[in-house]
Amino acid sequence: KQEVTQIPAALSVPEGENLVLNCSFTDSAIYNLQWFRQDPGKGLTSLLLIQSSQREQTSGRLNASLDKSSGRSTLYIAASQPGDSATYLCAVRPQETSGSRLTFGEGTQLTVNP
Amino acid sequence: DGGITQSPKYLFRKEGQNVTLSCEQNLNHDAMYWYRQDPGQGLRLIYYSQIVNDFQKGDIAEGYSVSREKKESFPLTVTSAQKNPTAFYLCASSRTVAVSYEQYFGPGTRLTVT
Repeated sequence: KQEVTQIPAALSVPEGENLVLNCSFTDSAIYNLQWFRQDPGKGLTSLLLIQSSQREQTSGRLNASLDKSSGRSTLYIAASQPGDSATYLCAVRPQETSGSRLTFGEGTQLTVNP
Repeated sequence: DGGITQSPKYLFRKEGQNVTLSCEQNLNHDAMYWYRQDPGQGLRLIYYSQIVNDFQKGDIAEGYSVSREKKESFPLTVTSAQKNPTAFYLCASSRTVAVSYEQYFGPGTRLTVT
């Protein structure tokens, strides 16, 4: 059974700092990995999706990497801003053909202090 | 303006009562999903539906029921058999359940049972 772990559970940084969020998964047979952002009491917003054949994806100040063989992904946030404060979730999708079942990590709660 | 709507945003019920959460999408997606999120945890799949009049149990289906009479709608009923119903419930949809299609999430419903 796939398990996804995110470290750290919470992170507090001063504005402007570069930071890395970590995601690890136990079964490397994944189709893709997705990073989401969740603001308090809100739904999920997709940030980046990395296919299993890709090594990284970039969107603005965000860069996500994937090392499928070692079961790890990182989300790099450059020049953090108070508006980046949110919970960041990673989720993996299996290679199986039936059912697009996402397995989620517990999330990292990020606070960027002005 | 395409998207997923969930209503109500907040729901309060007494223990022993059944309650139904609404999820509607106008994205013309075949597949729909219900997830549950507890504080500090990732999302867990309750039920999903690949097509009208079809649905499958997820990882934590006990105490829940669903129906899919229309493509646009996938209501979730939390029954009195659910031992810990207080949680944040998220609905999602995707074009199909095939792994190549992203899931899009609604804003969520926070259910409190006392």
